[in-house]
Amino acid sequence: DAMVIQNPRYQVTQFGKPVTLSCSQTLNHNVMYWYQQKSSQAPKLLFHYYDKDFNNEADTPDNFQSRRPNTSFCFLDIRSPGLGDAAMYLCATSRTGRHYEQYFGPGTRLTVT
Amino acid sequence: AQSVTQLDSHVSVSEGTPVLLRCNYSSSYSPSLFWYVQHPNKGLQLLLKYTSAATLVKGINGFEAEFKKSETSFHLTKPSAHMSDAAEYFCVVSTYNTDKLIFGTGTRLQVFP
Repeated sequence: DAMVIQNPRYQVTQFGKPVTLSCSQTLNHNVMYWYQQKSSQAPKLLFHYYDKDFNNEADTPDNFQSRRPNTSFCFLDIRSPGLGDAAMYLCATSRTGRHYEQYFGPGTRLTVT
Repeated sequence: AQSVTQLDSHVSVSEGTPVLLRCNYSSSYSPSLFWYVQHPNKGLQLLLKYTSAATLVKGINGFEAEFKKSETSFHLTKPSAHMSDAAEYFCVVSTYNTDKLIFGTGTRLQVFP
């Protein structure tokens, strides 16, 4: 089935140690998103891509970076994770246009020790 | 500007009784509205969407929602709750020209046997 895949599902990293989360999609959607979701909160958009055009949210910390080498793959890099970065990270995809829904992956639960 | 307000942070029902999750929206144009469900430690799954066609929208798992422009509401209902419906529910509105979604704060549904 076409889907959004995130790896790993669970990631433990040490304070200050860089970590990379990955997302892939088989839907061939041109828009890809990264969200951060903390406990009992709505997802918070970090950034998104239109094809290779990167769009950063104004309040996304510089500690968070992203790469999209091709249509199918997108990566989230956290350069120096702090304890406050522990969260669920969700990847989503969609077609362009406000009538289209976003398809979410299962998420990566990040723990920072 | 667009926004959504979920009127209840928690809703508790008994299994087999009706479910009502309330959502009001604000939009300066004809909105696209979505309901997503999130089970613990999972990604978000689309339940249903409204995109200016029929005002009564049927979704998966027996859920439906009615778009009421006069009341600026998009409440989610289900005639008979099941234990598996216990989850977090998000009412979401799309933005006009950015392909981004605006999430409500979520409603946690508890279902008691």
